Amino acid sequence: EPEVTQTPSHQVTQMGQEVILRCVPISNHLYFYWYRQILGQKVEFLVSFYNNEISEKSEIFDDQFSVERPDGSNFTLKIRSTKLEDSAMYFCASSDRDYPTTDTQYFGPGTRLTVL
Amino acid sequence: AQSVTQPDIHITVSEGASLELRCNYSYGATPYLFWYVQSPGQGLQLLLKYFSGDTLVQGIKGFEAEFKRSQSSFNLRKPSVHWSDAAEYFCAVVPTSGTYKYIFGTGTRLKVLA
Repeated sequence: EPEVTQTPSHQVTQMGQEVILRCVPISNHLYFYWYRQILGQKVEFLVSFYNNEISEKSEIFDDQFSVERPDGSNFTLKIRSTKLEDSAMYFCASSDRDYPTTDTQYFGPGTRLTVL
Repeated sequence: AQSVTQPDIHITVSEGASLELRCNYSYGATPYLFWYVQSPGQGLQLLLKYFSGDTLVQGIKGFEAEFKRSQSSFNLRKPSVHWSDAAEYFCAVVPTSGTYKYIFGTGTRLKVLA
């Protein structure tokens, strides 16, 4: 069964450093998402991406964040200068937005980011 | 404000007992509704979803959920819990207002006693 994969599973970085979190969505999906879950809190939407453009983003997704689909398979989330409060589990998701129903998103296992 | 509420943070049941996890939402129109499960160290796995039609939805692993418009609820049920069901369960909604972002509840952690 196709699945979303994410690397690394755990990333430790120093405050102020740049990190890139990587995701390989399901191969025929065209819509991609990033969510995060701070320890003990709910899963929060960050950004959605389609056709090489951001289609929606939350207030969390500020100028420190960027997303890219550098090739036909990867989808990345970059944090330019990490802060302590960026420590969280980051989930990638993809969907094929199967009209006329709606968007069923399939999630990866997550990358746990720890900022020291 | 639009929100999703899972009133129970922790639930403990004995193996073989029935289970009901609550989810309430506050949106003007009926949103699209989902239940996901997160096992330790795993990602979010889709259990079931509701878009329209029959308000009782069957999912994987023997779970079902019932949409009740009058109560703005989408509770998850299982008639007989197995030890492997111990996990965290998340209710999520997509407001039917031109957005595709999921709004998640805070989750319910299920513990199963042998």
